[in-house]
Amino acid sequence: SQQGEEDPQALSIQEGENATMNCSYKTSINNLQWYRQNSGRGLVHLILIRSNEREKHSGRLRVTLDTSKKSSSLLITASRAADTASYFCATNNQGGKLIFGQGTELSVKP
Amino acid sequence: NAGVTQTPKFQVLKTGQSMTLQCAQDMNHEYMSWYRQDPGMGLRLIHYSVGAGITDQGEVPNGYNVSRSTTEDFPLRLLSAAPSQTSVYFCASSPPSAGGPYEQYFGPGTRLTVT
Repeated sequence: SQQGEEDPQALSIQEGENATMNCSYKTSINNLQWYRQNSGRGLVHLILIRSNEREKHSGRLRVTLDTSKKSSSLLITASRAADTASYFCATNNQGGKLIFGQGTELSVKP
Repeated sequence: NAGVTQTPKFQVLKTGQSMTLQCAQDMNHEYMSWYRQDPGMGLRLIHYSVGAGITDQGEVPNGYNVSRSTTEDFPLRLLSAAPSQTSVYFCASSPPSAGGPYEQYFGPGTRLTVT
């Protein structure tokens, strides 16, 4: 399986701090995506980075991709209590499947 | 747009019963998929479809059937429910694009319990 694996599984920080989550995968990809899931809800797409990109920004989110190491990181800057959620990476190869990792549970304390 | 809708929201089945989880989208998306989410396991892909009349297996297809007769609908059938199928099921859709799927839009989920 090319499932992404997130690290850490759980992360607890104070409001205003930065949160970094990492994702590793096993095979070549077309793109890598990050999603967010609030408790009891469906997933929401945050950001997509293509295999020929190294870094991408969206608001307080910064995603990096290192295809030589088959890894990606998601940085949330100046975190807020409302950022408390689970975050998942998902990898897409040319086979048309989008495979998710197990997620990182982020808790931001006010 | 209603986006991706799923029915029912909650369902309790007895072992051996069959049922269909409904998924519909009104965004004219060609790509649709079904996932199950279990505690500590993340989301696992069950089946997906790149367009009407085309379906394919994901990571965990056993015990589930799908069909795609229209662009809008992608029902998931449990043939003979087992307790191991107790899970939260999510349907998702994505617009057509080469090299995809790209951004997926998720439904609110169906929480299924098999006793």
